[in-house]
Amino acid sequence: EPEVTQTPSHQVTQMGQEVILRCVPISNHLYFYWYRQILGQKVEFLVSFYNNEISEKSEIFDDQFSVERPDGSNFTLKIRSTKLEDSAMYFCASSELQATNEKLFFGSGTQLSVL
Amino acid sequence: QKEVEQNSGPLSVPEGAIASLNCTYSDRVSQSFFWYRQYSGKSPELIMSIYSNGDKEDGRFTAQLNKASQYVSLLIRDSQPSDSATYLCAVSPSNQGAQKLVFGQGTRLTINP
Repeated sequence: EPEVTQTPSHQVTQMGQEVILRCVPISNHLYFYWYRQILGQKVEFLVSFYNNEISEKSEIFDDQFSVERPDGSNFTLKIRSTKLEDSAMYFCASSELQATNEKLFFGSGTQLSVL
Repeated sequence: QKEVEQNSGPLSVPEGAIASLNCTYSDRVSQSFFWYRQYSGKSPELIMSIYSNGDKEDGRFTAQLNKASQYVSLLIRDSQPSDSATYLCAVSPSNQGAQKLVFGQGTRLTINP
């Protein structure tokens, strides 16, 4: 079965540093998402992306966050100046269509630790 | 604020029994409902989706939806130790289009051999 791949699996960074989390969505998918899960807490929506632009974002996704599709395969999440509270598992997801009943495929996640 | 509530558990069920997981949601106009399984440190994996009132069965899993009561449940029959995981209820708000899922906090299920 096709899968969403994420790199790195673990990222450790110092507070204030920039990090880029990378994702390769499933090749024929058009809609891309980032979710995050702070340890012991709910999975939270961050942003959705379609046709090279953000289609929706949550309150969490402030000016410190940005997303980009730099080429035909990668989808990245950048955190410009990391804070301690950014420590979480970040999941990339993709879907073929935009529909409320469309299946989301999640990647295996990047565990970000901000020290 | 749209909320999805689950009993965090832990819920312990003997092997072979039926595990029953429950979820309530606050947004009355929600249209799509999902159950994900999440093993510790892993990503959510879709188990069931349901969109209409009533029951939907897939193998050992049955999802039940009652929109009037804003309630969705998951039954796991003939529970196996491999079913031990956290089960996440997720709701897709109807007016959002794309999969902006709202997740519950998850119910931790343990199947005892």
